[in-house]
Amino acid sequence: DIVMTQSPDSLAVSLGERATINCKSSQSVLYSSNNKNYLTWYQQKPGQPPKLLIYWASTRESGVPDRFSGSGSGTDFTLTISSLQAEDVAIYYCQQFYSTPRTFGQGTKVEIK
Amino acid sequence: QVQLQESGPGLVKPSQTLSLTCTVSGGSISSGSYYWSWIRQPAGKGLEWIGRIYTSGTTDYNPSFKSRVTISADTSKNQFSLKLSSVTAADTAVYYCARDVGYDTNKWGQGTLVTVSS
Repeated sequence: DIVMTQSPDSLAVSLGERATINCKSSQSVLYSSNNKNYLTWYQQKPGQPPKLLIYWASTRESGVPDRFSGSGSGTDFTLTISSLQAEDVAIYYCQQFYSTPRTFGQGTKVEIK
Repeated sequence: QVQLQESGPGLVKPSQTLSLTCTVSGGSISSGSYYWSWIRQPAGKGLEWIGRIYTSGTTDYNPSFKSRVTISADTSKNQFSLKLSSVTAADTAVYYCARDVGYDTNKWGQGTLVTVSS
């Protein structure tokens, strides 16, 4: 299984400031055949299912604010919230789609400082 | 707009079989290149992928569930189901059904809480 490790486990950021979440996979999730990284980011708020934010490591899902961006390749990835808003308080998860079983990071809790 | 809705008993006794159904509306589970998946989340913990069924009927399971899990589909009802046998308290969780398009999971049900307790 591919192990996904996120850091930090939690972070507190002031409104309007940048939040950065890291995700590392135990093996590359880059498909050489199409040069795409099979890495997805989700946002989950209490009592709700996860919401898709980013797929292929850096492609923003339709309707997701452009303050959310994803970057990275191979085994190291980053989700950045460029200017934290109150509604961004949530837990964020990365997930790999390179192989089964699909595996998730343990989650990063984002709070307001 | 595709929507998914989980249903099933909210309470299951230890050693029994957990059975859940996901009803899909707004699209057919037998068309398109989709994987219909089950994912669970214990209270206050992270997400765990259980398995999936492809539109062709092919299944993939998380080995951590060994031989306890079965996912099946009923195309006439546009539903797919999860069966998890020999449950213990560790199987208490919110269970989500979802649609996997091969590179992301872009549709989720609201989730249903299943408690394993005598």
